[in-house]
Amino acid sequence: QSALSQPASVSGSPGQSITISCTGINSDGGRYKSVSWYQQRPGKAPKLLIYDVNYRPSGVSDRFSGSESVNTASLTISGLQTEDEAEYFCSSYSITDTLVIFGGGTTLTVL
Amino acid sequence: QVTLKESGPALVKPTQTLTLTCTFSGFSLTTSGMRVSWIRQPPGKALEWLARIDWDDDKFYSPSLQTRLTVSRDTSKNQVVLTMTNVDPVDTAIYYCARMPWTSGAFDLWGPGTLVTVSS
Repeated sequence: QSALSQPASVSGSPGQSITISCTGINSDGGRYKSVSWYQQRPGKAPKLLIYDVNYRPSGVSDRFSGSESVNTASLTISGLQTEDEAEYFCSSYSITDTLVIFGGGTTLTVL
Repeated sequence: QVTLKESGPALVKPTQTLTLTCTFSGFSLTTSGMRVSWIRQPPGKALEWLARIDWDDDKFYSPSLQTRLTVSRDTSKNQVVLTMTNVDPVDTAIYYCARMPWTSGAFDLWGPGTLVTVSS
């Protein structure tokens, strides 16, 4: 299983929207994959933001949203805030082979 | 309140066996559909999924590490244990345990992690 591909870094200004891509979710034949997104602040454990492509756990701001197209999942953060500065990871999970694959991570800088 | 916490040695010598324990509260690993996974993160690098144990005691491993990993549970103590044999400096990482309560494969709650350094 190959790791998922994410841009190394993205940046935006407060109030703007940014999108982080995650490519390769169907690279091994198109079996159904469930995509999740995590936020990780320095020195902290990851926090679940999005699961099943576009569902938010209770307590996660609706400024975070997910979407999916052919072989690519995306995380959009709207109304950027300085507190959004963090590392963001995508992951895919296949019920068929029970494997979880993570992306390489994207550093978000809020200028 | 649901919590998970990892514990184990901070320093391990190459070729030794590493044993990590995840102690959790606020949920039961015997509840249908519940799973606990181990995930690691080398300093400054990406996350890597290692292993998983399910409510029915099924176990799953990363294909690249399955010969070195064993995951087990003690339901009476609410603990999940990961052993890794023949460790190498490349196994230096923060090791996390995380709860996986849904079929979506998402990890909804994580422990704070424990840093394990492999060095002679």
